[in-house]
Amino acid sequence: GAGVSQTPSNKVTEKGKYVELRCDPISGHTALYWYRQSLGQGPEFLIYFQGTGAADDSGLPNDRFFAVRPEGSVSTLKIQRTERGDSAVYLCASSPGTSGMGTGELFFGEGSRLTVL
Amino acid sequence: GENVEQHPSTLSVQEGDSAVIKCTYSDSASNYFPWYKQELGKGPQLIIDIRSNVGEKKDQRIAVTLNKTAKHFSLHITETQPEDSAVYFCAASIPGNTPLVFGKGTRLSVIA
Repeated sequence: GAGVSQTPSNKVTEKGKYVELRCDPISGHTALYWYRQSLGQGPEFLIYFQGTGAADDSGLPNDRFFAVRPEGSVSTLKIQRTERGDSAVYLCASSPGTSGMGTGELFFGEGSRLTVL
Repeated sequence: GENVEQHPSTLSVQEGDSAVIKCTYSDSASNYFPWYKQELGKGPQLIIDIRSNVGEKKDQRIAVTLNKTAKHFSLHITETQPEDSAVYFCAASIPGNTPLVFGKGTRLSVIA
């Protein structure tokens, strides 16, 4: 079956621009996560959705970052006024679990590589 | 918050040898410890996990051990094969309470 799909796979933008990254989770998965992975590092938690609501956004680094999941399926990560330090691979993961975050297997997409020049 | 340390950062082994990767965690309340494998250009994929009510778990050539007193857990891969070459991440969480916190990863190279 289809896995987690992320678009675009690569995005190059200029400092100060706005970007949107899209995640299409596995059908029926209620939990959705965004992680950020810098070169040579492990994934770093950004935000967790259970259904339509952001149940935990404590990992978002500042108010330039925002994410939505209006219908409880597709999610969009939005970054305003991009900075060079935002360059990373943004990973989306979904899970069927309704027991809260940090439970059970996460199914990751291949990520969106963002480069801010 | 939780902090997960992982070592070594790189590991090279001959095909057929064993590989061991070790992680420590800081929050004694953590009780879920998965291991993920990430191949080049792919997202991480779960290979094995362990919960704090057991000390060891095996799945074919892969095993994980957990020492809650010392707050460390390890991944053991036996009879390594070239296709085991990848980056491996350990992680820890308090299920239902905190998200998975990942280590920095170990790049394993299996030399044929």
